[in-house]
Amino acid sequence: ETGVTQTPRHLVMGMTNKKSLKCEQHLGHNAMYWYKQSAKKPLELMFVYSLEERVENNSVPSRFSPECPNSSHLFLHLHTLQPEDSALYLCASSQGGGSGGRSYEQYFGPGTRLTVT
Amino acid sequence: AQKITQTQPGMFVQEKEAVTLDCTYDTSDQSYGLFWYKQPSSGEMIFLIYQGSYDEQNATEGRYSLNFQKARKSANLVISASQLGDSAMYFCAMREGYNFNKFYFGSGTKLNVKP
Repeated sequence: ETGVTQTPRHLVMGMTNKKSLKCEQHLGHNAMYWYKQSAKKPLELMFVYSLEERVENNSVPSRFSPECPNSSHLFLHLHTLQPEDSALYLCASSQGGGSGGRSYEQYFGPGTRLTVT
Repeated sequence: AQKITQTQPGMFVQEKEAVTLDCTYDTSDQSYGLFWYKQPSSGEMIFLIYQGSYDEQNATEGRYSLNFQKARKSANLVISASQLGDSAMYFCAMREGYNFNKFYFGSGTKLNVKP
C-alpha cells in the first residue's frame, strides 16, 4: 500500500449505530488530519494529531471521537450521528512541527462517503 | 473574514487552451504557504503545487503554474494546454505561519474541459 488509505469507502448508518472510520498513511509523516466535506461547503478541519497528540479540535460535536494510536493510524469513532453529518470524510497526513522552510503539504486519502439515515 | 476566497464556482475551457483559476487569501502573517489541490469526482484530493510566501519565483509543476502576486494577496492557478482529465474541482489552500495545523481551504472551482 502506498500513500493514504481509508476504509470503508462508503458507509450507511442509522442514527443509533456506532461505527468507526479508519485511516492509514504509508508516507512516514507525523501529523494526521480529519476533514469533513459537505456539499457546497469548504472543507472543514475537524481534528489534527501530531506525534499521536491531538493539537486541534475545531469545536467538533462529541459524537465524533478521534483516536490516533500511532503516527500511521487514525480513527474516527462515530455514535448517535445526525442526518446533517452525512458527508465525505477525508483523512490527510503531512510532516509536522520543526523549523520553518517546509511546505507541510497534506496528502489525502480517497475519503469515506458517509450517509446517516 | 474568509481566509481563502475563490470567486469562480464554475469554469469552462476548451481542450488544449490555458485557463486561470482565481484565489485570494487573507493573513497578517509574513510566513505562509499557498497550495492548490485537484479533486476529481472520485473524491481524493490531489496535491498539485506549492508557493511559499518568501519564494521569489512563481512555482511551476509541469502544466501547472502559480501566479503569485503578494501585494494583491492572490495566488492564481494557471493550467496550460488543458486536457479532458483536468475536469475536476480545484481548491486553493493556505497554511498560516509555519503552523501545520492552521490550514484553510477555499470553496473550490469546478473546471469543465470541453472537447
